[in-house]
Amino acid sequence: AQRVTQPEKLLSVFKGAPVELKCNYSYSGSPELFWYVQYSRQRLQLLLRHISRESIKGFTADLNKGETSFHLKKPFAQEEDSAMYYCALGTETSGSRLTFGEGTQLTVNP
Amino acid sequence: NAGVTQTPKFQVLKTGQSMTLQCAQDMNHNSMYWYRQDPGMGLRLIYYSASEGTTDKGEVPNGYNVSRLNKREFSLRLESAAPSQTSVYFCASSEVALSSYEQYFGPGTRLTVT
Repeated sequence: AQRVTQPEKLLSVFKGAPVELKCNYSYSGSPELFWYVQYSRQRLQLLLRHISRESIKGFTADLNKGETSFHLKKPFAQEEDSAMYYCALGTETSGSRLTFGEGTQLTVNP
Repeated sequence: NAGVTQTPKFQVLKTGQSMTLQCAQDMNHNSMYWYRQDPGMGLRLIYYSASEGTTDKGEVPNGYNVSRLNKREFSLRLESAAPSQTSVYFCASSEVALSSYEQYFGPGTRLTVT
């Protein structure tokens, strides 16, 4: 069965510190991985997808198929990065569905 | 382009009452989804519709029904609301034919059942 694990429910860092949000997945084929962000009481928005290999708002994420991970990183956290972050997995066997992790609530303190 | 819209934004129900949550998308997407979001549990799929005319159960379908009214609209019905259905409900849509599983989300409906 496909699964996405985000081991930290809560993560707190200080402004300017590096931040890493962990995501591990279980799937033996070719996955499509996403990071979604949800600011307070707003809709989920796509932050990154591994296919595009781009940096959005200073965040990057690299797919590591050997470790089945897709960790989200930012070298210098900002207060406006405080939000809920979800890792999501899409696969050919799940049709159009995504499997979401349980989310990590990031708080960036001043 | 409004994207994915949901109505209502907020709703308070008494136990046993019924209601329908509405969702519409203007991106011509084939697939639509209903999720519920609860603290500590992430997003859980209630029902989805891979294409117009089809619906399938997700992870937590009990107590809900859905209707894919047309390609644009996908409604979620609670026939007899229970306090355990207090949650934030999100609708989403996607078009896998665009070679991506990316989903686009609506703003959510915050439902409280007393």
